[in-house]
Amino acid sequence: EVQLVESGGGLVQPGGSLRLSCAASGFTFSSHWMFWVRQAPGKGLVWVARINGDGSFTTYADSVKGRFTISRDNAKNTLYLQMSSLRVEDTAVYYCTRGVLITTGGWFDPWGQGTLVTVSS
Amino acid sequence: DIVMTQSPDSLAVSLGERVTINCKSSQSILYSSNNKNYLTWFQQKPGQPPKLLIYWASTREFGVPDRFSGSGSGTDFTLTISSLQAEDVAVYYCQQFYSIPLTFGGGTKVEIK
Repeated sequence: EVQLVESGGGLVQPGGSLRLSCAASGFTFSSHWMFWVRQAPGKGLVWVARINGDGSFTTYADSVKGRFTISRDNAKNTLYLQMSSLRVEDTAVYYCTRGVLITTGGWFDPWGQGTLVTVSS
Repeated sequence: DIVMTQSPDSLAVSLGERVTINCKSSQSILYSSNNKNYLTWFQQKPGQPPKLLIYWASTREFGVPDRFSGSGSGTDFTLTISSLQAEDVAVYYCQQFYSIPLTFGGGTKVEIK
């Protein structure tokens, strides 16, 4: 069974840092693009970042560019999101999700259960 | 950026009735080289992550009930639930994967009347 399990969320002060992890199982992790998507409380879904299978290519939403870093450790089947200079507006549930198409990423399936990041003083 | 606009924002329908959700993209998401529309539909129930329903605008994911169907091409798309069931109460999102940044519609909340 394909499974994604996020961890690392919590309460952090504005300007602080946090690292999220996503443990993957049930598929060949290194073959797939991986993504982070976030959802502020009561709001819609917003794509945050993506990384290709070998970790050589990354892309970010403008809202997090220069503050967030997506990375992966294929030996550990784990995806990361290093978040720094956090803002109140970064408060959200952060989901990791897999790109279905090997070559280009494609659509997202499955999604992890999410981890809540709260940025507040 | 491609803006995805869903309508309506919410709707309440009686059990067994038809549900139609619209999604419009600000530019075409039909890729001419393979004639595929780069659009997906997700269902999100309260407290749960999104679940894939439809990809390539009209291909139903394995295991998704056949009362769910997707249609449309270019810039205008529709998700239809042919006969609403109680377990379909959720928020539905469209999303384009044609270009970066990947973007979602604002969501449509479906409730029982």
